[in-house]
Amino acid sequence: DTAVSQTPKYLVTQMGNDKSIKCEQNLGHDTMYWYKQDSKKFLKIMFSYNNKELIINETVPNRFSPKSPDKAHLNLHINSLELGDSAVYFCASSQDDPQRGLFFGPGTRLTVL
Amino acid sequence: SQKIEQNSEALNIQEGKTATLTCNYTNYSPAYLQWYRQDPGRGPVFLLLIRENEKEKRKERLKVTFDTTLKQSLFHITASQPADSATYLCALVNAGNMLTFGGGTRLMVKP
Repeated sequence: DTAVSQTPKYLVTQMGNDKSIKCEQNLGHDTMYWYKQDSKKFLKIMFSYNNKELIINETVPNRFSPKSPDKAHLNLHINSLELGDSAVYFCASSQDDPQRGLFFGPGTRLTVL
Repeated sequence: SQKIEQNSEALNIQEGKTATLTCNYTNYSPAYLQWYRQDPGRGPVFLLLIRENEKEKRKERLKVTFDTTLKQSLFHITASQPADSATYLCALVNAGNMLTFGGGTRLMVKP
């Protein structure tokens, strides 16, 4: 019954490693997103993606890359992890109509040591 | 540059009172504004959307106003309850057509 799911929920890794976070939505939504929430709780958009277009927030380092194997999945791959990447990462999805808002996943807490 | 500002200090109120949270924005011309609730350790949950041509919108004990002249939205919770304690976030669509969030205001309702 989970609408938007993410795995893993916690991820602890060393600097320099490459890691991926998986996201799946079963809502039939056309658009998926990745957000980063830092220690000050600011929620920042990283990517917006549907089957037509990828929109990248210009402040996101190119070490971050979204990968979508199909409409229901948008995974986040991070290369050469840095200490500053430690945060909670949220996946979300929405329909084209904004009336119902975004549906967020439970978040993945990434800790880079 | 575009900015969305919410009071970063926590709002503490007594149960039964009305909580009012503020969202101010600059350099936006939003078609609509959204409000979300976020509980600790969870993702935000969508509450309400108000369009630029709507002055006020209600949903149960929630009321949202939208003043495009003042560039401000107010979020009210009437007859507040301890279960309303959470962080509330406002959000606007930015120039890149992506939803951008304010920093959120933490609400604490004391019994």
